[in-house]
Amino acid sequence: RKEVEQDPGPFNVPEGATVAFNCTYSNSASQSFFWYRQDCRKEPKLLMSVYSSGNEDGRFTAQLNRASQYISLLIRDSKLSDSATYLCVVNQGEYSGGGADGLTFGKGTHLIIQP
Amino acid sequence: DTGVSQDPRHKITKRGQNVTFRCDPISEHNRLYWYRQTLGQGPEFLTYFQNEAQLEKSRLLSDRFSAERPKGSFSTLEIQRTEQGDSAMYLCASSPGFNQPQHFGDGTRLSIL
Repeated sequence: RKEVEQDPGPFNVPEGATVAFNCTYSNSASQSFFWYRQDCRKEPKLLMSVYSSGNEDGRFTAQLNRASQYISLLIRDSKLSDSATYLCVVNQGEYSGGGADGLTFGKGTHLIIQP
Repeated sequence: DTGVSQDPRHKITKRGQNVTFRCDPISEHNRLYWYRQTLGQGPEFLTYFQNEAQLEKSRLLSDRFSAERPKGSFSTLEIQRTEQGDSAMYLCASSPGFNQPQHFGDGTRLSIL
């Protein structure tokens, strides 16, 4: 399996600010892309899928650039509750009647929102 | 609660013992995955099932590890002759199909003494 790279941070950001993370992936055959959020000692939770056309969910915007093989996440009007680790996740599988379907995770970017 | 559930939440055992974890996926999901996460790292893929068939195993899954999903519902992950390096959070996830978002359980935290 090939790599997913993220800046581990921490990113220290004042409440209300806008923050952006990038992530790069090395396998050009990757099929699907996600951002997950993980709080300390908790399980990863799906934040949003990432589509080539870009997608938005409230204060969160995700973008995918297949040509450059990077994914971004933008958080606007950040809240204290946004403090967490954000995991960039790629599914590298190629469906062949049940082929590889495990997710490859980056190490995560640690975000701290300061009051 | 209709999410993914894992049991136990915590397991402490002595080196050399065998341990078994259980995962109950979301009921309509036919794909079930096991991951391992150590401190400061993202989760690492171990293996996955489609229904009862185990379709892929990672190189991380040594011969001391075995996973089953006999009836295509719950799954078990067994580690034999545990070693210090097996200490980690073991996460289970499920999804409704290929390339679909995976939903994780709370995990089983394993500590080897």
